[in-house]
Amino acid sequence: IHMTQSPSSLSASVGDRVTITCRASQSISNFLNWYQQKPGKAPKLLIYAASSLQDGVPSRFSGSGSGTDFTLTISSLQPEDFATYYCQQRWTFGQGTKVEIK
Amino acid sequence: EVQLVESGGGSVQPGGSLRLSCAASGFTFSSYEMIWVRQAPGKGLEWVSYINSFGSIIFYADSVKGRFTISRDNAKNSLYLQMNSLRAEDTAVYYCAREATLLSWDYWGQGTLVTVSS
Repeated sequence: IHMTQSPSSLSASVGDRVTITCRASQSISNFLNWYQQKPGKAPKLLIYAASSLQDGVPSRFSGSGSGTDFTLTISSLQPEDFATYYCQQRWTFGQGTKVEIK
Repeated sequence: EVQLVESGGGSVQPGGSLRLSCAASGFTFSSYEMIWVRQAPGKGLEWVSYINSFGSIIFYADSVKGRFTISRDNAKNSLYLQMNSLRAEDTAVYYCAREATLLSWDYWGQGTLVTVSS
């Protein structure tokens, strides 16, 4: 199964609503997870099973979708959210989306 | 507190070998599947290998199959990755991680850098 993540990068301002999409090459039900990675750090699990918020993750992060199309939304971008985001389905990661300061 | 601490990385020549370790604490290690993921410099994440809680089910990425061996010692709360016939393209930070709910990976180590170069 191939995962296509878009965009590869985006520029946004603090307070913006940000949406990242991930598309699977075939249906994966809701077996889709989202991670945040900051430079020099390990990835951090944000969302599992497409829409479940991992413990301790701020509620401004949300996930949606099922089947082949999935979305990660940050409702109001904060300074600490500038990072790279990856979707993951079993053994496959998306190529990543780098969220940069505008 | 759940902790995963990798060690064993370093510099090695092409064709050489390294053994990575991942020491687990703060949870019942023997109850969890574990994985290795790597990240080449400036690149994205790549899953490398999986092992179930008993060590009886193992999977590898095609890129490392036949060269890498994953194993675990539940008595020592440790996960291992034996890497043989190393290539330049194996240069990466290697992370161990715990598999949790619905095939997600909820705790990660800090990573250990493997550099393959002549």
